Amino acid sequence: TQLLEQSPQFLSIQEGENLTVYCNSSSVFSSLQWYRQEPGEGPVLLVTVVTGGEVKKLKRLTFQFGDARKDSSLHITAAQPGDTGLYLCAGAPRTGNQFYFGTGTSLTVIP
Amino acid sequence: NAGVTQTPKFQVLKTGQSMTLQCAQDMNHEYMSWYRQDPGMGLRLIHYSVGAGITDQGEVPNGYNVSRSTTEDFPLRLLSAAPSQTSVYFCASSQGTGPWGEKLFFGSGTQLSVL
Repeated sequence: TQLLEQSPQFLSIQEGENLTVYCNSSSVFSSLQWYRQEPGEGPVLLVTVVTGGEVKKLKRLTFQFGDARKDSSLHITAAQPGDTGLYLCAGAPRTGNQFYFGTGTSLTVIP
Repeated sequence: NAGVTQTPKFQVLKTGQSMTLQCAQDMNHEYMSWYRQDPGMGLRLIHYSVGAGITDQGEVPNGYNVSRSTTEDFPLRLLSAAPSQTSVYFCASSQGTGPWGEKLFFGSGTQLSVL
């Protein structure tokens, strides 16, 4: 059983469309991160959110941490082919040294 | 600036063979970890270390062994390879002794096939 569930698992959209990826858990996290991974490479950090309700923007990407710190979302506006990749959420529980990753969302943006 | 270096990039093993996946970082990071990535399951933590001489188990430790004799190196050993260990393995490190809010730096991965 995965601690963090992402939806959808696969997403294929046309260039210029908007999309939202969700990351959900029944556990509370002290912080939550989003990574993007390209084929043949390791994940690269996009953003860290630490406060419940926090919203961060990174150009066309908007990240939100749920008020209860159990879930997060990633919204992309006007998607571009360069956004194609695997998006992973990752959470650090309040105690312990483990860092849990979500199941991943594979995004394809078609030109 | 090398960051996190993993070797080898690709490896094919026969069932029952043993091998060591190498991981080295040059950022003086205290926290190092090993993950395996399987389709539809994201990344699952195998073992992690919060400093030299200290290691602990993650979500899926069975069949794997680690040691941390130096800050720089964190090798992962497969004791007796099984087909279920076919996966892509990633090593990651971060500053500080815990992952909370810390940025994880990943290597480029090792693709392992066990026949």
